[in-house]
Amino acid sequence: SQELEQSPQSLIVQEGKNLTINCTSSKTLYGLYWYKQKYGEGLIFLMMLQKGGEEKSHEKITAKLDEKKQQSSLHITASQPSHAGIYLCGADSGANNLFFGTGTRLTVIP
Amino acid sequence: EAQVTQNPRYLITVTGKKLTVTCSQNMNHEYMSWYRQDPGLGLRQIYYSMNVEVTDKGDVPEGYKVSRKEKRNFPLILESPSPNQTSLYFCASRFRERETQYFGPGTRLLVL
Repeated sequence: SQELEQSPQSLIVQEGKNLTINCTSSKTLYGLYWYKQKYGEGLIFLMMLQKGGEEKSHEKITAKLDEKKQQSSLHITASQPSHAGIYLCGADSGANNLFFGTGTRLTVIP
Repeated sequence: EAQVTQNPRYLITVTGKKLTVTCSQNMNHEYMSWYRQDPGLGLRQIYYSMNVEVTDKGDVPEGYKVSRKEKRNFPLILESPSPNQTSLYFCASRFRERETQYFGPGTRLLVL
């Protein structure tokens, strides 16, 4: 079965620092989604990547999908306390199932 | 406002007492899904539906039922809840396969 591995599992950074979260698959990804979840709350859609080499940005968050479409990274520039939460990557399995990594818990210290 | 709504948001019940968690979307989406989220296990799909009257099992369907009588609604039914169904449940919808999936706010269920 296809799996998504996220790293690191947790991250603590000082406000203003940059950070990167990685999401790796053993198989080619057909669609890669990034979501943010506040603790115990719903998932907020951030970005979707479909093409190899694709890069998207929204405010201070940039996501990239590598050329082989097996790895994605999420980069946050100049982190703020509002960026704190759990970041989840998800991917289409091709059978109407969106499967997810186990998440990266981000803490931003003011 | 385009959204997925779930009710109730919090529920405490006892083993064996049937319950239903409702899910509704106002985006005219074809696809709807139910997930459960557990520590260390992440999000796992329970059931999904590709259209009215079309449903299928996800990864962890045991102990759950669903129905899709209308396009906008996709209730999750626990006929005889057990403590191992204590979890955080999410409903999600999307227009079609391989498009962005939108999630509801979650329902936190505790089965005693």
